[in-house]
Amino acid sequence: DAKTTQPPSMDCAEGRAANLPCNHSTISGNEYVYWYRQIHSQGPQYIIHGLKNNETNEMASLIITEDRKSSTLILPHATLRDTAVYYCIVVNNNDMRFGAGTRLTVKP
Amino acid sequence: NAGVMQNPRHLVRRRGQEARLRCSPMKGHSHVYWYRQLPEEGLKFMVYLQKENIIDESGMPKERFSAEFPKEGPSILRIQQVVRGDSAAYFCASSPETFKHTHYGYTFGSGTRLTVV
Repeated sequence: DAKTTQPPSMDCAEGRAANLPCNHSTISGNEYVYWYRQIHSQGPQYIIHGLKNNETNEMASLIITEDRKSSTLILPHATLRDTAVYYCIVVNNNDMRFGAGTRLTVKP
Repeated sequence: NAGVMQNPRHLVRRRGQEARLRCSPMKGHSHVYWYRQLPEEGLKFMVYLQKENIIDESGMPKERFSAEFPKEGPSILRIQQVVRGDSAAYFCASSPETFKHTHYGYTFGSGTRLTVV
């Protein structure tokens, strides 16, 4: 049911930027891109969301391509505590369906 | 300002018993969503409720599972006659009355881990 495609896993060195890609080629004009993460068995945690402009907050940056068919979540300086499953979700109104996500492992 | 509260955190039931999972949404939130996460899998949508109404139950198994969100009190996810395959983490999320993208999407609780023995 998910409208996004993400790589199943990625590694990143501690202190380096983590760039997590997401394809959403069927996204429609009024659908937003949301990113959540789930650390171990905790509840999902909101990271960032955007429509078409790039967004930045204290946690991450979100880069959305001009055609909106893909996006990249950037963690600028990954730490070991950023090891988690990252979910990219296309959202319209109240419909939030999760895919399999990307398991990011930050290594020392 | 408490977040989404789920209880119990862990629940053990024998096969055939009933499981009741509770979710109190964030203050000011009137929409509740339940998700199930099987071991090593992603979150699967189950049901979306507003006060006293089920809006979307397309992810609910046809039998043994039910959900409610009464006018007063928490939302309840009820599983009757549990089987081993029901063992999973059940997460609840809430959102404000009008889901606007100026908000931070859903706020999730810490989940209830159900183990059926």
